[in-house]
Amino acid sequence: NAGVTQTPKFRVLKTGQSMTLLCAQDMNHEYMYWYRQDPGMGLRLIHYSVGEGTTAKGEVPDGYNVSRLKKQNFLLGLESAAPSQTSVYFCASRLGRGHEQYFGPGTRLTVT
Amino acid sequence: TQLLEQSPQFLSIQEGENLTVYCNSSSVFSSLQWYRQEPGEGPVLLVTVVTGGEVKKLKRLTFQFGDARKDSSLHITAAQPGDTGLYLCAHGHFYNNNDMRFGAGTRLTVKP
Repeated sequence: NAGVTQTPKFRVLKTGQSMTLLCAQDMNHEYMYWYRQDPGMGLRLIHYSVGEGTTAKGEVPDGYNVSRLKKQNFLLGLESAAPSQTSVYFCASRLGRGHEQYFGPGTRLTVT
Repeated sequence: TQLLEQSPQFLSIQEGENLTVYCNSSSVFSSLQWYRQEPGEGPVLLVTVVTGGEVKKLKRLTFQFGDARKDSSLHITAAQPGDTGLYLCAHGHFYNNNDMRFGAGTRLTVKP
């Protein structure tokens, strides 16, 4: 049982490049989340999903897209990376309402 | 936006000392969560408080939810180097929706 895993762990992009971050969970959780963490600002919710095939916007969705084609995977896409998207990205999942949220180890992204 | 303010931002103490960190807001919350995050890892849930005035204990950690459900505190007794980390509070309509909001955190260092 690996819990929540994230790929890649580190990535450096140039402005304008695109990439996809992958989050996978093997706990059969319904809900999945993408957050970004910046110094002095805590974690901010980007997008989330309450089930396969569904997605919704969080607090800071601009510049990101997501997809949940399979229950166990939640993908975060950056179509045209900007330096403001330099951050540590965390994925999380939970079984459902009222249940604990489990976080992945994070992806450190630098956009130059 | 319901802001969570955490204080202090940084705290450095010697092993064996006691400490209290705070999480405050002007808004009323249905619930509040405390997480600990170690370097290079995702946050891990410590506790969820739901009832105004509630006190929960987790070994040497004592969590309190304010009577008005606008604030919370975390008290650590006889701190140990293993308590070092970033302590985050978060609110969300834990049982009703998925829009979790985090405070910026208190970074605690316990020196041996």
